Amino acid sequence: EVQVVESGGGLVQPGGSLRLSCEASGFTFSEYEMHWARQAPGKGLEWISYIDVSGDTTYYPESMGGRFTSSRDNAKNSLFLQMSSLRVEDTAVYYCARANYYEDKYWYLDLWGRGTRVTVSS
Amino acid sequence: EIQMTQSPSSLSASVGDRVTITCRASENIAKYLNWYQLKPGRAPRLLIYAASSLQGGVPSRFSGSGSGTDFTLIISGLQPEDCATYYCQETYSVPYNFGQGTTLEIK
Repeated sequence: EVQVVESGGGLVQPGGSLRLSCEASGFTFSEYEMHWARQAPGKGLEWISYIDVSGDTTYYPESMGGRFTSSRDNAKNSLFLQMSSLRVEDTAVYYCARANYYEDKYWYLDLWGRGTRVTVSS
Repeated sequence: EIQMTQSPSSLSASVGDRVTITCRASENIAKYLNWYQLKPGRAPRLLIYAASSLQGGVPSRFSGSGSGTDFTLIISGLQPEDCATYYCQETYSVPYNFGQGTTLEIK
């Protein structure tokens, strides 16, 4: 089955760190760019990370302040999001998603996981 | 940073109705616009990419249109399973902002 499954969420104190994982199956993970997005309680979706196929190029919103780092292990079909200096407002469901392309320029997120919940609280 | 403004923020409609959701970009994004459907506890679902292309497996009652700054998602013949929150997303430039969402309720 073609899917991505997130894990690693949980309860963490403000200022703490957490590493999320996303395991891909059913497709050639190394051929796809990947993204992370999140949804805070009662809020909308927020894009938070992009990583290219090799892992050499990453993008983040400036609002993340350099606290999040995305990486991947193509040999293990896995994507990671290292989060540090966590804040209460980082409480959210975190999703990983696969990117696909149309006409080599329009990209879209065609495969999402169900997400993993992160709660930042003392 | 491109801002995406969706409207309405919520709406209620009956089975069989035609529903229109709009998304406006703060600057020209050509056709770099996707639409997603979110249901609680489920994986988000891609509906429309490149403003007007229907994703495989998505019912044909969903359609998208627009280019530049103004975009529309239309559901023709609303079904009970369409109860969800819908988001547009620009894919033109970082930070690839989503709209604030439109929550659709079935009467």
